[in-house]
This record gives sequence, structure tokens and C-alpha cells, in this order.
Amino acid sequence: SQKIEQNSEALNIQEGKTATLTCNYTNYSPAYLQWYRQDPGRGPVFLLLIRENEKEKRKERLKVTFDTTLKQSLFHITASQPADSATYLCALPPRTGGYNKLIFGAGTRLAVHP
Amino acid sequence: GAGVSQSPSNKVTEKGKDVELRCDPISGHTALYWYRQSLGQGLEFLIYFQGNSAPDKSGLPSDRFSAERTGGSVSTLTIQRTQQEDSAVYLCASSQGQGANTGELFFGEGSRLTVL
Repeated sequence: SQKIEQNSEALNIQEGKTATLTCNYTNYSPAYLQWYRQDPGRGPVFLLLIRENEKEKRKERLKVTFDTTLKQSLFHITASQPADSATYLCALPPRTGGYNKLIFGAGTRLAVHP
Repeated sequence: GAGVSQSPSNKVTEKGKDVELRCDPISGHTALYWYRQSLGQGLEFLIYFQGNSAPDKSGLPSDRFSAERTGGSVSTLTIQRTQQEDSAVYLCASSQGQGANTGELFFGEGSRLTVL
């Protein structure tokens, strides 16, 4: 069965550094992948969508890569700020049944320290 | 409204009671999703609507759970004979077009359900 793996340990970095979060998946090749941010007690907020024919996508300080050979997506935040502290979720369509729904990883908590 | 609206924001109920959770999606969004999130866990898919139809109900955990959508807009998630393991935050999301393939999901703030 498909698996989506995100680092369950929190990532602690210093303000100004680049944060890199990893999303690994197994057993299939999704057509697209999305990243969301979730703050405590709030619903997830969409950040970026990347498709299988796109290697990289950028939005302001955010960059996402999608390596279909490694079955991995990397999510980068450059010049990180304490306000970037949150849990980041990757999400993919399921292997079978449901091209238009998303299966979410458990998320990685990012803490940016001043 | 400007975003996805869910009510109630908090619900405490006794084991065995029925609860209804409501979702008001963004106007014009044809795709609607229900997820649930247990404490410290990821999002678990429950059901997907396209218009008033639910082509994917595969995530509903038992026959105590049901959902409907009327007028291509408001959706209600009903949990009958609630159990303690139903305690979670229930999140609703809506999307344009066919759903996640065409773009982002817009989430509400969730309904926190506590079953005593």
C-alpha cells in the first residue's frame, strides 16, 4: 500500500537560515503533490502544488522540488523567520481510486528561533 | 462568506448521542471534502463530494457516519451513537472544479468534537 513519510521529529533552525523539509512516498507515482501549512488550532492553508512533469516550483521564499525517481519532494523556506514556525504537510492523490482527493502526511513541525 | 465556514467550532457530547457538523463552502466551489484529525495526528480522509453526489465515501469509518450535501453547497456530517474514539477535529475543505487535481483545497477552521 502507499505510504507518505514526513519526518516526525521537529525541525529547529535559526532565523535567517534555510529550512528543508522532506516528503517521501512509496509504491506509486503520483501525478501531483501539494504542500500545506497548519498552525495550532487552525485548518491547513495551501502553499504550493507541483505536478509530475515539473521539477521545481517557487513562490516568494518557498521552493518545492519533485523527484519522481527518488519518490521524494523537498520543501525549502529561505531566509526563515519565526513567523514561519508551523507544521508543514505534504499531500498526494491516492494510488488508486480518487484522483481528486488528497492523502496527507503526518506533517513536520518547524520551529524558527530568533 | 469569504472562506469555508464550519459550525459548531466546539461540541462536547455524551457517548451514545448523535451529532451534526455543518460546513458552508466557498460560493461556487463544486468539490467538498471532510477530513478528521485526531490529536497530534495527520488528516484522515472521510468523504468527497462533487456537487451533491459523493463519488468517494471510502474514508467513512463505520455506518454510524454519514454525510450529505444539498443545493451543491452546505454539507452536514452526522455521527450517530457517538463513541469516545470519535473525538477529533473534523475539517471541511472546498475546491473549484474537480477538486485537488485542479488546485488547492480551502479548509475551514474545523469542528472540535469531544465525546465524554
